[in-house]
Amino acid sequence: GIQVEQSPPDLILQEGANSTLRCNFSDSVNNLQWFHQNPWGQLINLFYIPSGTKQNGRLSATTVATERYSLLYISSSQTTDSGVYFCAPTQGGSEKLVFGKGTKLTVNP
Amino acid sequence: DGGITQSPKYLFRKEGQNVTLSCEQNLNHDAMYWYRQDPGQGLRLIYYSQIVNDFQKGDIAEGYSVSREKKESFPLTVTSAQKNPTAFYLCASKAELLRELFFGEGSRLTVL
Repeated sequence: GIQVEQSPPDLILQEGANSTLRCNFSDSVNNLQWFHQNPWGQLINLFYIPSGTKQNGRLSATTVATERYSLLYISSSQTTDSGVYFCAPTQGGSEKLVFGKGTKLTVNP
Repeated sequence: DGGITQSPKYLFRKEGQNVTLSCEQNLNHDAMYWYRQDPGQGLRLIYYSQIVNDFQKGDIAEGYSVSREKKESFPLTVTSAQKNPTAFYLCASKAELLRELFFGEGSRLTVL
């Protein structure tokens, strides 16, 4: 099955800094989502982005499907951005999202 | 409000006991999923169901069972055959025509 690698595994920022999280996947995909898991464990949808670029406030995401990677940009980070960010693609006609191990982000005040 | 409700949020179990985790959704979603998360790890798929009375094994189905008698409900039973049941369990659902997966708040199971 598809392999998913996320980098960096851990990231510590000061409030106001910008960051880029990367997701590499081993095969072509027909779906890719980014999630944020807050410190209480809740997973929140950020983006559905199998290709192209999307923006939502301070967050944006780009997927280059032909080169098998996706990037999540966080600008002007806030302490509430802390948590774990997961990338989860699916491939072919599968309904199964495959999760990477995530990037743990800590934003300090 | 529409959403996915998991219960209980915390559960303690003795070895050898079966436990059932509840997942209810009022989003009218067709597909429902159960994932397991271990500390510092991503999510792994246990079972999923795309329609009522039908479900498929995911990557780590051994020691678990599910049922889908109603569209709204997809309970997960962690049986005594599951060797390492202590974990965080997450239920999710998805509408047929949409691609986004939505999650409940999770159930944390600890085996004593």
